[in-house]
Amino acid sequence: GDSVTQMEGPVTLSEEAFLTINCTYTATGYPSLFWYVQYPGEGLQLLLKATKADDKGSNKGFEATYRKETTSFHLEKGSVQVSDSAVYFCALSVGGNEKLTFGTGTRLTIIP
Amino acid sequence: NAGVTQTPKFQVLKTGQSMTLQCAQDMNHEYMSWYRQDPGMGLRLIHYSVGAGITDQGEVPNGYNVSRSTTEDFPLRLLSAAPSQTSVYFCASLGTGGHGYTFGSGTRLTVV
Repeated sequence: GDSVTQMEGPVTLSEEAFLTINCTYTATGYPSLFWYVQYPGEGLQLLLKATKADDKGSNKGFEATYRKETTSFHLEKGSVQVSDSAVYFCALSVGGNEKLTFGTGTRLTIIP
Repeated sequence: NAGVTQTPKFQVLKTGQSMTLQCAQDMNHEYMSWYRQDPGMGLRLIHYSVGAGITDQGEVPNGYNVSRSTTEDFPLRLLSAAPSQTSVYFCASLGTGGHGYTFGSGTRLTVV
C-alpha cells in the first residue's frame, strides 16, 4: 500500500539555521505530495504541494521538490525563525483520490 | 469566519459511554473526513464522505459511525468508548480550488 516515511523528531535548531526534514514515499500510482504544518493547539494547514515529478512547491520560505527517481519530497528552509516551531507532516494522495496518507510528523523547535 | 468547526474541544468519557463529535463547514465542500492523531502514528483516516448521503470507511473505522445528511455537517459517533480511542480527532474538508484540506482545530478525547 501507499506509505510516507519522515525523519524522526524532535528537531531543535537555532534561529537562522538551515532546515531539512526528510520525506520519502511509496505509492502504487503517481502521487501528489504535500507538506502540512500544525501549530500548537491548531489543526493542520497546507504548507505546500507538488503534483508531478520535478515540480517545486514553495510557501513562506519553505521549499520541497518532487523527486521521482529517489521517491522523495524533502522540506527545506534557508533561515528558520522561532515562529516556524510546529509539527510538520508529509503526505500523499494517489490518482485524484482525495484520501491523504500521512507520515508520522516531525516536531520542530526553533530556539532564539 | 469560513472554515471547519469542531465541538467539543475537550472531552473525557468513561469506558462504554457513547458520544458524538460534531463537525461543520461553511465552504460548501463536498468531501469531508475524520482523522485521529496518535503519537508516533501521524494521522489515520477513520471515515470519509464524498457528498451528502454518501459515506465510506477509512483505515481505522471500527468503533465509529458517521452520517452525512447535509453538505455542512459530518458528525462522528463513538458507539461504546474504549481507552484505545483516546486520541485527538480532526475533521477536514476539501474543496475544488487546489488549496488542500481545511482542518478543524481538533477534539482531544480521553477515555478512562
